[in-house]
Amino acid sequence: DSGVTQTPKHLITATGQRVTLRCSPRSGDLSVYWYQQSLDQGLQFLIQYYNGEERAKGNILERFSAQQFPDLHSELNLSSLELGDSALYFCASSVSPGNEQYFGPGTRLTVT
Amino acid sequence: AQTVTQSQPEMSVQEAETVTLSCTYDTSESDYYLFWYKQPPSRQMILVIRQEAYKQQNATENRFSVNFQKAAKSFSLKISDSQLGDAAMYFCAYRSWGNSGNTPLVFGKGTRLSVIA
Repeated sequence: DSGVTQTPKHLITATGQRVTLRCSPRSGDLSVYWYQQSLDQGLQFLIQYYNGEERAKGNILERFSAQQFPDLHSELNLSSLELGDSALYFCASSVSPGNEQYFGPGTRLTVT
Repeated sequence: AQTVTQSQPEMSVQEAETVTLSCTYDTSESDYYLFWYKQPPSRQMILVIRQEAYKQQNATENRFSVNFQKAAKSFSLKISDSQLGDAAMYFCAYRSWGNSGNTPLVFGKGTRLSVIA
């Protein structure tokens, strides 16, 4: 157990819908990262936050958005969902940007 | 942009034997980190080993060791005395030093390791 929690574990929804994935970092970690793992794209970085501020952006679609709240938990919002958005979404956290990243168990999103 | 290449989509090893997984990367940076992550069927991402680019000594963690060749931009993982529990997908990853605070991991496509009893 890495100490990073993600909810829900599984999510099944229809095309066009909107979902919110939640991540609670390890106690004391200020940095949160979101990654997407899909069969065709592999593991891709989406976005990074540090202490509530966005630090880096990767291959995140405009239909996706995220934020980190004052209590340091983070949410990833996916809207206008398409079949291709089906993937495993990981959250990772670290004490600071230069430290080890610890991954949560992931949220499996299935878009039908 | 940095890239990570794992040229072996699948590998297999006999239990108790040794196997080496290959990884090459491309970067123009001089300071960075390299990692190997393990993803078993549970899908959890588990850090296996890390290497700082400024360190000449290869990292080791019990049965896991790396061969880091900075000039060749090569970072292979050696698993000794392979066990059934080592069967998993292994990802090589690169991370910048992080002076600017931007520190996402860049992953390779992965190598699926099977361990034969």
